[in-house]
Amino acid sequence: GAVVSQHPSRVICKSGTSVKIECRSLDFQATTMFWYRQFPKKSLMLMATSNEGSKATYEQGVEKDKFLINHASLTLSTLTVTSAHPEDSSFYICSAQVSSGSRETQYFGPGTRLLVL
Amino acid sequence: GEDVEQSLFLSVREGDSSVINCTYTDSSSTYLYWYKQEPGAGLQLLTYIFSNMDMKQDQRLTVLLNKKDKHLSLRIADTQTGDSAIYFCAESGYDKIIFGKGTRLHILP
Repeated sequence: GAVVSQHPSRVICKSGTSVKIECRSLDFQATTMFWYRQFPKKSLMLMATSNEGSKATYEQGVEKDKFLINHASLTLSTLTVTSAHPEDSSFYICSAQVSSGSRETQYFGPGTRLLVL
Repeated sequence: GEDVEQSLFLSVREGDSSVINCTYTDSSSTYLYWYKQEPGAGLQLLTYIFSNMDMKQDQRLTVLLNKKDKHLSLRIADTQTGDSAIYFCAESGYDKIIFGKGTRLHILP
């Protein structure tokens, strides 16, 4: 079946540095990719919707200059956490969506654990 | 490996109750979630249940958890046309969250 990968799976960085997380659809082309963040003991929070070749649409309260999203191709979207702070430590998950006629199917990546020291 | 399964389609008449079922394999899951996805949008959390609970009710939504059978269900009372969407079941633990493939709920007039 369709597979979505994320790289890296875990990253530890110093406060003030930037971290890039990649989301790839391995055997299909995704028209839309979503980025989520999971808080401890809570659910996913949708951060942004990314369409190939256009600017991402950010949810209210998500800083677009801090969480840069680039959807360079139909198989790759990247999330860059700029000037990371300890409060950015979280579990980031992407999903890739495929549209076929009127049906949309979503495939999730395994997630990336970010720890900012 | 770890897996979450749910049926792909469900058709319900408007005004009836909808019951969406989900099974999972990882008994160490701490939280179980139901998400709703409307066309063109990302997932939105509907409700969740902690693994030591067996039932949770929130207005028209009722979540039942049978931990022994690893079975989770979502009941939507008085189903409306606005409930038409894809519903995802998910289980989570530390550093992981695993989703089912989603159940498409179709409302019949």
